[in-house]
Amino acid sequence: EIVLTQSPGTLSLSPGERATLSCRASQSVSNKYLAWYQQKPGQSPRLLIFGASTRATGIPDRFSGSESGTDFTLTISRVEPEDFAVYYCQQYGSSPPRTFGQGTKVEIK
Amino acid sequence: EVQLVQSGAEVKKPGESLKISCKGSGYTFTNYWIGWVRQMPGKGLEWMGIIYPGDSDTRYSPSFQGQVTISADRSINTAYLQWSSLKASDTAMYYCARHVSGYDRSPFDFWGQGTLVTVSS
Repeated sequence: EIVLTQSPGTLSLSPGERATLSCRASQSVSNKYLAWYQQKPGQSPRLLIFGASTRATGIPDRFSGSESGTDFTLTISRVEPEDFAVYYCQQYGSSPPRTFGQGTKVEIK
Repeated sequence: EVQLVQSGAEVKKPGESLKISCKGSGYTFTNYWIGWVRQMPGKGLEWMGIIYPGDSDTRYSPSFQGQVTISADRSINTAYLQWSSLKASDTAMYYCARHVSGYDRSPFDFWGQGTLVTVSS
């Protein structure tokens, strides 16, 4: 089972600042099959990024994803008020389970 | 418009059985994998398993294998998650979600609204 470790646990930022969220995999993620989701309180998760760096339909271009080996990064270039939420990474390239990271909360500073 | 509509909140006692549902619309139900994800109170997302309604091929997380059963009825475009004997530790929000494509190695693009299951004596 691939374990995904997200850091930091909480990121405190002011609107307009840059957010950098990390997701480290315990082993190689085949075909860069890694996704990022956003979840706001009381809502279902929303797909932001798949294939490590491809934005899902309708996702603003301030969200970007990158990969370096087993390290994956979600960057929000300038955090908007609506971006304060919890973010999860998920790998979907291995045999089940298709694990999620434990989440990073982006909160208002 | 793609929609996944889940059944309503449930309150059950330990030992009782339960089957919750997820009805898909706006797409060809049999052509896309559907998964179930658990979120315990205040916690993160846990991948439980997936089913391909076209042929009922099912994959489980080892953590949930034998604890739950995932099924689908393609005649009514509905996927199910069921328990034969609930425990208090099954208290959680359960989401169904559709894979992006007919390939199971793809992310979830559409999610249901969630079904809250509370198990308490």
